Amino acid sequence: AQKVTQAQTEISVVEKEDVTLDCVYETRDTTYYLFWYKQPPSGELVFLIRRNSFDEQNEISGRYSWNFQKSTSSFNFTITASQVVDSAVYFCALSEAGRNTDKLIFGTGTRLQVFP
Amino acid sequence: DTGVSQNPRHKITKRGQNVTFRCDPISEHNRLYWYRQTLGQGPEFLTYFQNEAQLEKSRLLSDRFSAERPKGSFSTLEIQRTEQGDSAMYLCASILGQGDSPLHFGNGTRLTVT
Repeated sequence: AQKVTQAQTEISVVEKEDVTLDCVYETRDTTYYLFWYKQPPSGELVFLIRRNSFDEQNEISGRYSWNFQKSTSSFNFTITASQVVDSAVYFCALSEAGRNTDKLIFGTGTRLQVFP
Repeated sequence: DTGVSQNPRHKITKRGQNVTFRCDPISEHNRLYWYRQTLGQGPEFLTYFQNEAQLEKSRLLSDRFSAERPKGSFSTLEIQRTEQGDSAMYLCASILGQGDSPLHFGNGTRLTVT
């Protein structure tokens, strides 16, 4: 069965702190994609990153970085020097490429609040 | 790129009434998805279309729910005899092809059943 677990329900930090959002996934497929989406108060899901299961290289994009470890089935997301505009709910998601559906299985999300 | 458009943004209805939502995907996107999101939860898959064909339906999609995409462009999601448990955000997403790009989501339609 496919499953995505985001154990942190809510995280509060003060601006400029670094914060890591955890994501653990379960799948029996060998080929899959992992995603992070941001959902600001406006409600729209904003795509942040997609990672192929065969590519375990960590990725950095500005203040955002992602750590993919197949050995622990984790795909964690770190925001460096957080800003108030980072306040949102962040979702980790899984898509099994072999099923050819692009259907996403989402975690329950982590609400990040960044205080000035 | 005008993005995925959903209408209405908000809908308040009384229990037992029928409601219909519309989704206009990004033009030329051949796959269209409906998700439901309740408070404090992640989006849950309901159904998806490739062109006009509905290829998969979740067990969450009871027989009171029906979705169509008659010409392979816009889609409608109808809920008949609404119940309070149907209150949620209904999200639509689209994608071109398969696996080559992420799903693009609309702003959603928030349904409140009183």
